[in-house]
Amino acid sequence: KAGVTQTPRYLIKTRGQQVTLSCSPISGHRSVSWYQQTPGQGLQFLFEYFSETQRNKGNFPGRFSGRQFSNSRSEMNVSTLELGDSALYLCASSYSTGFEKLFFGSGTQLSVL
Amino acid sequence: SQQGEEDPQALSIQEGENATMNCSYKTSINNLQWYRQNSGRGLVHLILIRSNEREKHSGRLRVTLDTSKKSSSLLITASRAADTASYFCATDSNDYKLSFGAGTTVTVRA
Repeated sequence: KAGVTQTPRYLIKTRGQQVTLSCSPISGHRSVSWYQQTPGQGLQFLFEYFSETQRNKGNFPGRFSGRQFSNSRSEMNVSTLELGDSALYLCASSYSTGFEKLFFGSGTQLSVL
Repeated sequence: SQQGEEDPQALSIQEGENATMNCSYKTSINNLQWYRQNSGRGLVHLILIRSNEREKHSGRLRVTLDTSKKSSSLLITASRAADTASYFCATDSNDYKLSFGAGTTVTVRA
């Protein structure tokens, strides 16, 4: 089985731009969650989707949004980028409705200049 | 804010030695999990312990959970160079997310 695939692997943007990150979960996994990882704040939860429904959202401004498609693939979008948005964005998928084991992608490293 | 705090922040040991790291959390949990992350990559699930369990083993890993103290420990025995990584505890509180601790960076010296 292929693992969780995140694209692109690296991204460089400038302040004020917007960005879309993509995540393809493991086949058959219906839950997709997103995390932001920075050296200062660690791993922060962004949002979680199950069967196209957002079930939880972390404490991030409205500039951060996401969605999930009927094939379970997910995208997250960040508008009006700020320097502080520079981070590793990780996507994870799981098979069940619970959170007993997450499978992570390798992440998208976003640099905002 | 993070649910968990990990201790120590960093650990350096000799190959063959044991590594122990601790995790404390704030709210009641469904289960607690440990993940490993190699530099700049995604996290890999290591082991899960449920709230009604006290100890669990998997290969060279031993996890304990004390729900009265809201704490857990991860022991890696007979460490190898390949164990060099960051280790994170994560708690599931039935709120559709995992909350991660700050992580412990382990360096295993040859």
